[in-house]
Amino acid sequence: SQQGEEDPQALSIQEGENATMNCSYKTSINNLQWYRQNSGRGLVHLILIRSNEREKHSGRLRVTLDTSKKSSSLLITASRAADTASYFCATDGKGAQKLVFGQGTRLTINP
Amino acid sequence: DGGITQSPKYLFRKEGQNVTLSCEQNLNHDAMYWYRQDPGQGLRLIYYSQIVNDFQKGDIAEGYSVSREKKESFPLTVTSAQKNPTAFYLCASSIQGANEKLFFGSGTQLSVL
Repeated sequence: SQQGEEDPQALSIQEGENATMNCSYKTSINNLQWYRQNSGRGLVHLILIRSNEREKHSGRLRVTLDTSKKSSSLLITASRAADTASYFCATDGKGAQKLVFGQGTRLTINP
Repeated sequence: DGGITQSPKYLFRKEGQNVTLSCEQNLNHDAMYWYRQDPGQGLRLIYYSQIVNDFQKGDIAEGYSVSREKKESFPLTVTSAQKNPTAFYLCASSIQGANEKLFFGSGTQLSVL
């Protein structure tokens, strides 16, 4: 069962612009995580935000969480060509022992 | 360097054959996971284990089997009962469970001959 759903499915922007991706989920969560995947590689953890947090920053990344709307957003500022990748949100669900991933947003940064 | 090692990187399966994908971690993590990824799709959970000698089915366990005899190892067998095995398989681990970040291996691409 898919818990998180990312929007948009694909995003193409110019280098230097900001990129925003959204994630919606269905059930209550303990935390929400964002991961990046370069083509043909494993996933790399970016940031974890807990259900009692509203915003978190890490370098050029900014994540928000709105538990009332069951949604999260990932903002990448001042994008670079190296940011080209797929980005996934993942949620654990209260009481769950597993992490469920969305289908991802494919981000392309054009030079 | 600590991390997760998956092997092989590419694997080919013949009809009716069982194949085993290896996953080893030296992070001293208790929890390990197997995910399947189809082209352009997200990850779907096959099996997970939170402790040695114990594991649970994920969302798509049919046609797969696992074992967890050692803390550092969590091999996945794709059996002949899995009729559509072509996919990218990812192994991951975390310190204790799903409320922490996952560390991923580099994946195994399985194809059918």
